[in-house]
Amino acid sequence: DSGVTQTPKHLITATGQRVTLRCSPRSGDLSVYWYQQSLDQGLQFLIQYYNGEERAKGNILERFSAQQFPDLHSELNLSSLELGDSALYFCASSVGYSENEQFFGPGTRLTVL
Amino acid sequence: AQSVTQLDSHVSVSEGTPVLLRCNYSSSYSPSLFWYVQHPNKGLQLLLKYTSAATLVKGINGFEAEFKKSETSFHLTKPSAHMSDAAEYFCVVSGAKNNDMRFGAGTRLTVKP
Repeated sequence: DSGVTQTPKHLITATGQRVTLRCSPRSGDLSVYWYQQSLDQGLQFLIQYYNGEERAKGNILERFSAQQFPDLHSELNLSSLELGDSALYFCASSVGYSENEQFFGPGTRLTVL
Repeated sequence: AQSVTQLDSHVSVSEGTPVLLRCNYSSSYSPSLFWYVQHPNKGLQLLLKYTSAATLVKGINGFEAEFKKSETSFHLTKPSAHMSDAAEYFCVVSGAKNNDMRFGAGTRLTVKP
C-alpha cells in the first residue's frame, strides 16, 4: 500500500458527460501528479500540482482540468467525455516537486460508453 | 525534451534464469532515470532510481540497473527470476528542469516455471 488513495475505483459513464476523480496524497507529500494509462497511448503524464499550484503540464487535453486543494487532495475533472477517454487514471504523490520518488495510487478505471 | 525507448515489448524467461529488460533514453539535461513495476490491476511501484550518483543502482527485490551515458542506456537486470517478478516494467526519464516524467511503452515480463 503506497499511502495514496484514489476514488472511485471504477467509473462508467456516457459520452458527453463530466466526471471528477479524486486523489489523496501520502501524508506529508506536497506534490500530486495525474497520469493516464491506455492501451494505445501507454502511460502519459497529464499534470502536476505542488502545494496548490500547477507545477508542470504534460499531454493534458483542454477538456480536462485539475486542482489541488488546501488540504492537498486533488481532483481531476474530465468533461465532454469521448470513447477514447476510457483509460486507467493514476494519481501519484511525492514530497517535493522535482526528481523525487513518486508513490502511485491504485488508479481509477474510467469506461466511457 | 526527454524520451525513453524500451527495446522489448515482451520478455519471457524461465524461473531461476537471468532477467534483462532494455531501456535507452534521450535527454537534453542530466537525466534522472527510474524503473517502475506494475503488477496486474495494481498501481506502479518504484524499483530503483538513478540521480547522478553511482552508475550501478540497486533496487528492491534483487533488481539493479546500470546507467551508461556513452550508450544512453539504463538496462534493468536480475540474476535469477522468480515467478512473482511477472509484471509490466516501465523505464522512466525525468529532466532536470521540471518533473515531467516520460514513461516508456513498457515491457511485459513473463516467468515460466
